[in-house]
Amino acid sequence: GDSVTQMEGPVTLSEEAFLTINCTYTATGYPSLFWYVQYPGEGLQLLLKATKADDKGSNKGFEATYRKETTSFHLEKGSVQVSDSAVYFCALRMYSGGGADGLTFGKGTHLIIQP
Amino acid sequence: SQTIHQWPATLVQPVGSPLSLECTVEGTSNPNLYWYRQAAGRGLQLLFYSVGIGQISSEVPQNLSASRPQDRQFILSSKKLLLSDSGFYLCASTRSSYNSPLHFGNGTRLTVT
Repeated sequence: GDSVTQMEGPVTLSEEAFLTINCTYTATGYPSLFWYVQYPGEGLQLLLKATKADDKGSNKGFEATYRKETTSFHLEKGSVQVSDSAVYFCALRMYSGGGADGLTFGKGTHLIIQP
Repeated sequence: SQTIHQWPATLVQPVGSPLSLECTVEGTSNPNLYWYRQAAGRGLQLLFYSVGIGQISSEVPQNLSASRPQDRQFILSSKKLLLSDSGFYLCASTRSSYNSPLHFGNGTRLTVT
């Protein structure tokens, strides 16, 4: 079945460091890919998405590129801030015409940014 | 865009007591609706999903049930809570097209004592 694998962490970085959170997926077709962020005690917020190969999603300084050849959707940010501390989830969605539409999440990566 | 309302935000219930968590959606019609549970330090577990009024599918066998009495209302229930039901419960909504993201509520923190 479809699956998403991401580094679980915690990942600890200093402020202004470069961030990469790896995400790879396994899917039977061509999914849409998403990154969500969860701040402590809150629900998940959509951070960015990409719906086809070579698409780049970007938001709030974060970027991720849909790489079909490596089945990856790594999240990057050039200079992280303390406020970026959160749990980040990679997810994919297949369309099957009904049901849960193949919604699959990774286990989440806990990111800690130290001042 | 869609807005998901969940309540209550936190809940402490004794073992064996009933449960009712409510979720309502604004900004869309005929959404797909989902209940997820997030245990401490773990990822998201899909519990139930619904593609329409009265249509509920369960992903895992458990002590919980769900109902969808109206198009934009989704309820999670239990007749008798177990300690293992503790967790963070999230309601989500999406349109059926594959490139539509899920929109999440702010969640309910349930502690069963």
